[in-house]
Amino acid sequence: ILNVEQSPQSLHVQEGDSTNFTCSFPSSNFYALHWYRWETAKSPEALFVMTLNGDEKKKGRISATLNTKEGYSYLYIKGSQPEDSATYLCAFSTSGTYKYIFGTGTRLKVLA
Amino acid sequence: GAVVSQHPSWVICKSGTSVKIECRSLDFQATTMFWYRQFPKQSLMLMATSNEGSKATYEQGVEKDKFLINHASLTLSTLTVTSAHPEDSSFYICSARGPHRGSYNEQFFGPGTRLTVL
Repeated sequence: ILNVEQSPQSLHVQEGDSTNFTCSFPSSNFYALHWYRWETAKSPEALFVMTLNGDEKKKGRISATLNTKEGYSYLYIKGSQPEDSATYLCAFSTSGTYKYIFGTGTRLKVLA
Repeated sequence: GAVVSQHPSWVICKSGTSVKIECRSLDFQATTMFWYRQFPKQSLMLMATSNEGSKATYEQGVEKDKFLINHASLTLSTLTVTSAHPEDSSFYICSARGPHRGSYNEQFFGPGTRLTVL
């Protein structure tokens, strides 16, 4: 059974702090790793699609890295703002299938 | 772009009744739609994959006669929970992918439906 783990499960940070989360996934049959940002009562919003070992992607204050050999991805938020408060999900997909396997998410609360 | 809507956003029903949830891709043609379920403190779990015009493929452990999926057009898929029971109470969310939207299997999600069965 393929398993995706995210840590921490939740965290609280002060406005202006930088933070990061981890997504661990199986290192075999890797195709892509997806990061989503999910606010309550809204649709999960795609942040990054990561495919190559060593990939680094950036969107404003949010960036992500990928290590497919060891099976992990980091998501970084620089200078957290209250509007960054959300659950951050990662999903792993294998070659040959369109299916996603999700982690349980990291719930971030940024305190003003 | 790549907007997916889902209705209703929440529903409460009596045990034994059936509930239909709609998932629509608003600005693209969705060749494949996915239905997920999430129980408290657990991850989104794939229930089934549906391709337009063909029967859905269900994941192991998901009863196809209980969770009826119809993907009759390129913009609409429905999930019907038949004879719902309290243990079916959960959060159901759909996603869609299309041939000209996204890359590397990217899926676009609806906002989800909270089902409570009394």
